[in-house]
Amino acid sequence: KAGVTQTPRYLIKTRGQQVTLSCSPISGHRSVSWYQQTPGQGLQFLFEYFSETQRNKGNFPGRFSGRQFSNSRSEMNVSTLELGDSALYLCASQEAPRNNEQFFGPGTRLTVL
Amino acid sequence: SQQGEEDPQALSIQEGENATMNCSYKTSINNLQWYRQNSGRGLVHLILIRSNEREKHSGRLRVTLDTSKKSSSLLITASRAADTASYFCATDPSDYQLIWGAGTKLIIKP
Repeated sequence: KAGVTQTPRYLIKTRGQQVTLSCSPISGHRSVSWYQQTPGQGLQFLFEYFSETQRNKGNFPGRFSGRQFSNSRSEMNVSTLELGDSALYLCASQEAPRNNEQFFGPGTRLTVL
Repeated sequence: SQQGEEDPQALSIQEGENATMNCSYKTSINNLQWYRQNSGRGLVHLILIRSNEREKHSGRLRVTLDTSKKSSSLLITASRAADTASYFCATDPSDYQLIWGAGTKLIIKP
């Protein structure tokens, strides 16, 4: 099976712009989680989607949003970008929530100038 | 807030030596997982240990779990240059999300 794919891999934006990141989970996986990772930090949970429904959301402002499509592909959107949004955004898929092992994509490296 | 806290933050050892990393957590859990991340890339699942297990092995990896002390350790034996990476523990204190530590950066010197 193909692994989790994320597009784009690298992105440079300026403050105030918005960005959309995409994640395609492993075939058959219906749960997708998003994380933000900044240098020297662990993973900060953004949100999880399962069957097109957001199951849970982390402690991030409303500028961060996401959705999941019927084919389980997921997108996350960040509006009004700030310098502090520069990070590696990771997507992880599972067959179902709490299926224990998460499979991660390579991430999207977002730089906000 | 972070549930898992890895210790040490960074570890540098010679190739062939053993590396031990620790993870502490605050609330009761169902299981604890360890992941590896090579520089700036996605994470790879290494091993999962359930709360009713005390020790688990996978190749050169040995994980222990002490629920009374709310801590876990990851031992990598006979380290190799390819083991250079950051190692994270993740716990599941709630039904909705894993909680991740800040990681231990392991450097294997040739």
